[in-house]
Amino acid sequence: EAEVAQSPRYKITEKSQAVAFWCDPISGHATLYWYRQILGQGPELLVQFQDESVVDDSQLPKDRFSAERLKGVDSTLKIQPAELGDSAMYLCASSTGADTQYFGPGTRLTVL
Amino acid sequence: QKEVEQDPGPLSVPEGAIVSLNCTYSNSAFQYFMWYRQYSRKGPELLMYTYSSGNKEDGRFTAQVDKSSKYISLFIRDSQPSDSATYLCAMSGGGDNFGNEKLTFGTGTRLTIIP
Repeated sequence: EAEVAQSPRYKITEKSQAVAFWCDPISGHATLYWYRQILGQGPELLVQFQDESVVDDSQLPKDRFSAERLKGVDSTLKIQPAELGDSAMYLCASSTGADTQYFGPGTRLTVL
Repeated sequence: QKEVEQDPGPLSVPEGAIVSLNCTYSNSAFQYFMWYRQYSRKGPELLMYTYSSGNKEDGRFTAQVDKSSKYISLFIRDSQPSDSATYLCAMSGGGDNFGNEKLTFGTGTRLTIIP
C-alpha cells in the first residue's frame, strides 16, 4: 500500500538554528499539505501545494517558515530560526484532489 | 469559538463496550466529514469519511452526520484494546475536488480501552 514518506522522524534542535523537513507524497498525488500539530491539539494547515504551486499559505509564519515543491513531487519545509514555540509534530499529507487526504508519520520537532 | 469542537477526554471504557465519539461544528459550508485515528507519536490514519448527512458503516465502525444539528458521531462496537488511540474528527467544504479543500480538525479525543 502506497504511503506518504517523511524524514526525519525526530529532530531536536536549539533555538535560533535552522531545521528542514522532507516529504514524499503518494505517487500521483498532485495536492500536498503541510500541517502542524501541537501536543493535545488537532493538526492545523500551514501550506497547501497544487503540483509545484502554492495554493494556500495564509497560516504559514513567513518570517521564519518557508516551503517548496520545486518539481511538483516531494517537498521541503524549513524553519529558520527555530523558536521554542515551534516544538510540535509536522505532518505532511497528500491527495489526488478527488479523494481525501492521507497523512505521513510526521516529524516530531523539539526546540531546546 | 472554534469552528470544530471536540471533547478531548480522556475517555476510558472496558473492552467490548460501545464507544461514542462526537464533534460539533459551526461552519455550514462543511460537506465532507472524516474520522482519523492517531496512535501515539504517529500520523493520523483515515478511518472513514462521509458526504453530507447520513450514516456509514465499516466493520465495527459507524459514522453518523446530522447536518441540521451540525453534529457528527463515530461509534465503535465491540471495542478492543487495539482501538486505544486519539480520534480526530475533520471537515472540509464540498465540490468534486474535495481533496483540495483544507481540513479543519477537532482537538481529538483520547480513548483507552481497558482489557
